Amino acid sequence: AQTVTQSQPEMSVQEAETVTLSCTYDTSESDYYLFWYKQPPSRQMILVIRQEAYKQQNATENRFSVNFQKAAKSFSLKISDSQLGDAAMYFCAYSTLFHNTGTASKLTFGTGTRLQVTL
Amino acid sequence: NAGVTQTPKFQVLKTGQSMTLQCAQDMNHEYMSWYRQDPGMGLRLIHYSVGAGITDQGEVPNGYNVSRSTTEDFPLRLLSAAPSQTSVYFCASSGRKETQYFGPGTRLLVL
Repeated sequence: AQTVTQSQPEMSVQEAETVTLSCTYDTSESDYYLFWYKQPPSRQMILVIRQEAYKQQNATENRFSVNFQKAAKSFSLKISDSQLGDAAMYFCAYSTLFHNTGTASKLTFGTGTRLQVTL
Repeated sequence: NAGVTQTPKFQVLKTGQSMTLQCAQDMNHEYMSWYRQDPGMGLRLIHYSVGAGITDQGEVPNGYNVSRSTTEDFPLRLLSAAPSQTSVYFCASSGRKETQYFGPGTRLLVL
């Protein structure tokens, strides 16, 4: 079974600074997706960024980027120029593919990292 | 598009009562799923469906039933609620090779 580990229960960053959240996973599959979701106090799950395992290039979305190390099974999230609105729980998640349809399969989540942003 | 909608937002049940959590999506997504979120834990998969008429169990299916009669709707039924089912429930949907998008969640308290 796949597992996702987030070893940092809490992190803190000053506004405008950069912070990196860690995630490791375990799988025997060669093709899969990795995600970072943000959950603010409203509890809404918001997609931050997505990485396909077959792509060597690291995904980037504005101030958010990942460092995907497939051999090491590591998938960290870097937030640059941190803003107060970035304060939230961040979940790393993994999914395999349905081999028949190619549709993204069941998500396995880590336990989350709570990010605080200070002035 | 409304995306993924869930009702109710909050519900209190007594042990042994039954209820249905509603989930609907208007994106014509094939894949729908239910997760529960407990304190200190990530989301865990309860049941999922890859299309109308097809459902399967996830990681924590006990105590829950699902059905998928239409592409749009995927209700989650609790036949006899237990305090251990106190949680926040999320419904999600996705199309082919797409990210799963989540509803706003339903907070359930079982006394």
